[in-house]
Amino acid sequence: GNSVTQMEGPVTLSEEAFLTINCTYTATGYPSLFWYVQYPGEGLQLLLKATKADDKGSNKGFEATYRKETTSFHLEKGSVQVSDSAVYFCALLSGSNYKLTFGKGTLLTVNP
Amino acid sequence: NAGVTQTPKFQVLKTGQSMTLQCAQDMNHEYMSWYRQDPGMGLRLIHYSVGAGITDQGEVPNGYNVSRSTTEDFPLRLLSAAPSQTSVYFCASSTGQAGGYGYTFGSGTRLTVV
Repeated sequence: GNSVTQMEGPVTLSEEAFLTINCTYTATGYPSLFWYVQYPGEGLQLLLKATKADDKGSNKGFEATYRKETTSFHLEKGSVQVSDSAVYFCALLSGSNYKLTFGKGTLLTVNP
Repeated sequence: NAGVTQTPKFQVLKTGQSMTLQCAQDMNHEYMSWYRQDPGMGLRLIHYSVGAGITDQGEVPNGYNVSRSTTEDFPLRLLSAAPSQTSVYFCASSTGQAGGYGYTFGSGTRLTVV
């Protein structure tokens, strides 16, 4: 079956630090990959996506590249801000399967 | 454009009570889903629907019922609440090309069963 594994949190960084949150997946076929962000007390928002190998998704300074050879979709940001503090979820959607499979989430805290 | 609307935002139930969590979307999305979020567990799929009149079970369906009589609405029913159903519940919807557009999530219902 499909599964997503993302790095355990929590992650605590200082403002302007570099961020990497690792995500690897197991899936049949050629999944679409997503990063969602959940700010405190809110629902999930789509942060970025990639639908085929070597695609790079980007939004709000965050980037992630779909690496089929390593089955990975790591989230990166060059300089984090306090406002980036949130829980980040990696997720996949496999082929015609419309059911999202989520990782367990990574809590990021950015201190000023 | 309201997106996905969930009500109520908070609810406390006694064990054995029943209730319905409401979810409505105004984007004419075909696909709708219910997830529950628990600490350290991520989000787990409860039930989903690919269109009006069509529903199916997800990963953790026990204790929950759904129906989809219209495209817009996808209520989740708890038949006899148990403390294990204490969780945050999210409804989500998507177009037919779910892989391309991702899902839109509601703001959640925080349910406590005592």
